[in-house]
Amino acid sequence: DTGVSQDPRHKITKRGQNVTFRCDPISEHNRLYWYRQTLGQGPEFLTYFQNEAQLEKSRLLSDRFSAERPKGSFSTLEIQRTEQGDSAMYLCASSSPTGAAFFGQGTRLTVV
Amino acid sequence: KNEVEQSPQNLTAQEGEFITINCSYSVGISALHWLQQHPGGGIVSLFMLSSGKKKHGRLIATINIQEKHSSLHITASHPRDSAVYICAVRSLGGGATNKLIFGTGTLLAVQP
Repeated sequence: DTGVSQDPRHKITKRGQNVTFRCDPISEHNRLYWYRQTLGQGPEFLTYFQNEAQLEKSRLLSDRFSAERPKGSFSTLEIQRTEQGDSAMYLCASSSPTGAAFFGQGTRLTVV
Repeated sequence: KNEVEQSPQNLTAQEGEFITINCSYSVGISALHWLQQHPGGGIVSLFMLSSGKKKHGRLIATINIQEKHSSLHITASHPRDSAVYICAVRSLGGGATNKLIFGTGTLLAVQP
């Protein structure tokens, strides 16, 4: 296992389009997190899965955002009707039972 | 006021210098992470600690729970240490989620 992987690494989309990102966590980790990072800021929590259950969603996650983890393995984050304010780095992390956090390389979204 | 504050925000050092980055937090925590982020986004976990001191190579992390303060030290700094260093805490009030609350990061540039 090579760690947490995210796809794509970069995405440029036109305003109003839908985008979907994928995260493959470390296989034995049942905890999965999505964070969003804007330029010059630290990451902010978006949502959390334990296995396939989405247990917490941030107020940052508007109705246009939806996340799934259908079989408790990989996760997807979809943004509908993208806006320029959605431009950011979207980071996925998985966590071991000890609490150690492992991050993916992130997906950089640019909405033009 | 952010729950996690880092100082300095920017730091320029000459190769070989001893570097200290500070992190203060205002919430009760179960653990504190020091993370490294290079240009391009990927985040690497350097340390997770809940008390005392940890050392890995030229990096040393300390935490004082009573004072709600942690420091990251880099000895014999090298240009390859240039990156953003982020402090993140796992709040006791976070429930079962164990999500991280991040500082805004310290941008370190080590000049040869």
